[in-house]
Amino acid sequence: EIVLTQSPGTLSLSPGESATLSCRASQSVNSAYLAWYQQRPGQAPRLLIYGPSGRATGIPDRFSGSGSGTDFTLTISSLEPEDFAVYYCQQYGNSPWTFGQGTKVEI
Amino acid sequence: QVQVQESGPGLVKASQTLSLTCTVSGGSISSGSFYWSWIRQPAGKGLEWIGRIYSRGGTNYNPSLKTRVTMSVDASKSQFSLKLTSVTAADTAVYYCARLPTVAQAYYGMDVWGQGTTVTVSS
Repeated sequence: EIVLTQSPGTLSLSPGESATLSCRASQSVNSAYLAWYQQRPGQAPRLLIYGPSGRATGIPDRFSGSGSGTDFTLTISSLEPEDFAVYYCQQYGNSPWTFGQGTKVEI
Repeated sequence: QVQVQESGPGLVKASQTLSLTCTVSGGSISSGSFYWSWIRQPAGKGLEWIGRIYSRGGTNYNPSLKTRVTMSVDASKSQFSLKLTSVTAADTAVYYCARLPTVAQAYYGMDVWGQGTTVTVSS
């Protein structure tokens, strides 16, 4: 099983600042099979980025993904109030599909 | 626009079987190439992938749950289902169904999610 470790656990920032979230895999992941999700309180996760830099439909361009091998990054440039949430990375190149434990972006 | 919606009992007794259904609307469950998954999330914790079923057949389950999980599709009702046997308190969680499109070995992330349904296992 591929273990995804996200860091930091919590990121305390202000609106307008940029956020850099890390996802590290226990073994190499095909970058085409790496995604990022946003989850706001009480809501289902929402797909942000897939493969690892494609933006899902309707996702603003302040969200960007990058990385390869075992190290992947989600960057949010200029945080908006609605961006304060928990973010998860996921790999679906190897079974079982796995999620990271999440990074909370808080004000 | 495709939507998915989970349904099923909110309370299940320990040692019994949890049964949930995901209804797909706005599109056919069996047309196109999709993986339909179940994911769960205990309160205050992260996401756990339970398993998937392919729109054209075939299942794959998380080894941690494999001996207790069965997924199936009823294309006539545009539904897919989850059965989890011998439940314990550790199975208490919000259960989500979700879709992942795939085209020619390219996967596009879980782009459609249900709102989730809370299942509590009681003793």
